[in-house]
Formats: sequence, C-alpha cells, structure tokens
Amino acid sequence: QVQLVESGGGLVKPGGSLRLSCAASGFTFSDYYMTWIRQPPGKGLEWVSYISDGSDYTNYRDSVRGRFSISRDNAKNSLYLQMNSLRDEDTAVYFCARAGRFPASPLAYWGQGTLVTVSS
Amino acid sequence: NLILTQPHSVSGSPGKTVTISCTRSGDNIASKYVQWYQQRPGSAPTTVIYEHDGRPSGVPDRFSGSIDSSSNSAFLTISGLKTEDEADYYCQSYDGNNHGIFGGGTKLTVL
Repeated sequence: QVQLVESGGGLVKPGGSLRLSCAASGFTFSDYYMTWIRQPPGKGLEWVSYISDGSDYTNYRDSVRGRFSISRDNAKNSLYLQMNSLRDEDTAVYFCARAGRFPASPLAYWGQGTLVTVSS
Repeated sequence: NLILTQPHSVSGSPGKTVTISCTRSGDNIASKYVQWYQQRPGSAPTTVIYEHDGRPSGVPDRFSGSIDSSSNSAFLTISGLKTEDEADYYCQSYDGNNHGIFGGGTKLTVL
C-alpha cells in the first residue's frame, strides 16, 4: 500500500534552515507529481509547493518562493523540502502528499506529517 | 486572488444529512477540479471526494460531491451521518497558475 513518511522536522531559530524528507513506498514514485502542504498549529491547511514527476516543473506559494526549494530523487523514492530564512509564521506540521500525473491534480495520499517549530 | 470560502462549522444528528459548501471567488467553479479532504483530530487528511464528484475506493457512498455554477460553489454532502464522520473538512482546488489553495475548513459536529 502507499506509504509516505516525513522526517527532518524540529526546532529552529528564525533565520535558520531545515531540510525535510519524505520517503515514499508502495507505488512507482517517478510517475507522480509530489506536493508539500503545511498546517500551522490549530489552523487550516496551506498548500506549499509541488514538483513534477521528472523534476521539470516546480511551483511555490508566494510566501515561501525564494526561501524554500522542493526537489526529489526518484532513484531513492524520496521528496525533499529545503527551507531557508525561516520565519515564525513557517511554524507548522508539514505533510507530503502524492498528487496525480499532471499539474493541478488531487492529493490522493498523505503522510502523517513532521512538525517544524521556528522560535528563538 | 482565488479564495475558497467554507462555513466555519456545521452540525447534524446521527442518520441525518448535512451539506458543506465551498464558494469559489475569483473565477469559475468549473475551471479547476475541487477535492474534499477529511481530517480527524490528530490525524493526517484523507481524500473523500476528488475531481468534483469522484469517490475513492473505501469511502462510503454516503459521501457525495457536486458543483453548482449558479452559486459558483462546490458541495460535500454526507448522508446517514455517523459519529465517526465528526471531523474537519477542507475543500481544495487550484488557481490559473496551478497554485493549490484550500478552503478554511469546516468543523462537522455530529450531535
């Protein structure tokens, strides 16, 4: 069955960096777009970024563009999110999700999330 | 800017039917597919409806989705309410630049 397991979250100071990982299994990883979504404590879901199956296309929400970078390693069935210049408002649980085979596709499967806390 | 607006909360009694709306402002509701996700407390979201009215395998047929062009809205209808349906529900779609967007979420209480 499809499994997505995030890791790499933790406590970081404002201005710091963190790299999240998402290990995928149970499907042909290289066939699908992948997405990061976040949820600030007690708040709703926020779409963060997606990457195409072959890494040709990426897209970001405005508030993270230029600070976050999404990437993937299809040989390792892994998705990444490099987060730089972190701000208090980036504090959230970060979920990875498998999308479809095209942009703007449904988020069919989600991981359990990893908590990122930005605080001094 | 695209906005998806949901009611903050809805409630219903076991066995009854509730409908959650998701109103799209900024462009036409039919321009991009709408999905619905269920999130129980402390858990990750799961898909209950995809592409306006598709239902993933394993999701009961008590869950249905629709859109209405006149109100520019999508709807999630849950019939035969069960206590296990109590959760937060989020609609989700994309804008013209394929940026994802979520509605603010609706808390469903089964009384």
